[in-house]
Amino acid sequence: DSGVTQTPKHLITATGQRVTLRCSPRSGDLSVYWYQQSLDQGLQFLIQYYNGEERAKGNILERFSAQQFPDLHSELNLSSLELGDSALYFCASSVGYSQNTEAFFGQGTRLTVV
Amino acid sequence: AQTVTQSQPEMSVQEAETVTLSCTYDTSESDYYLFWYKQPPSRQMILVIRQEAYKQQNATENRFSVNFQKAAKSFSLKISDSQLGDAAMYFCAYLGLNAGNNRKLIWGLGTSLAVNP
Repeated sequence: DSGVTQTPKHLITATGQRVTLRCSPRSGDLSVYWYQQSLDQGLQFLIQYYNGEERAKGNILERFSAQQFPDLHSELNLSSLELGDSALYFCASSVGYSQNTEAFFGQGTRLTVV
Repeated sequence: AQTVTQSQPEMSVQEAETVTLSCTYDTSESDYYLFWYKQPPSRQMILVIRQEAYKQQNATENRFSVNFQKAAKSFSLKISDSQLGDAAMYFCAYLGLNAGNNRKLIWGLGTSLAVNP
């Protein structure tokens, strides 16, 4: 158990809908990272928050947004969902400000868009 | 742009034997980290080993070691005395340190490792 908790584990929704994925980092970790893992593109970095503020941005679509709350949990909001958004979404957390510190991953949320 | 290539989509090894997973990367940066992550069926991504580019010595973690060839931009993972619990998807990842706020991990597509009893 990495100490990173993601909910829900599975999510099935229709195209055009909006969903929110939640992540609770390990106790003491200030950074939260979101990744998308799809079969054809592998693991893609979406966005990082550090202590409530956006730290780094990757290949995140404009339909997606994230935030980190004062208690350090984070939410990833996906809107106007398309079939191609079906993927495994991972959250990871680390103590440090930078991605070269070890990151601990949650077990992911499997999103299926039908 | 940086890229990471894992040329072996699938590999298999007999229990107790040694297997090497390949990873090559392309970068013009001088400072970076390289990682191997393991993703078992539980889906959790687990850090196996990390290598700093400025260190010439290959990283080792118990049965896991790397062969880091900086000039060749190669970063292979050797698993010795393979165990059934090593069966997983293995991902190679690159992190450049020169990108400032745009720093991000670049991942390979993974190698699925089967361990045969």
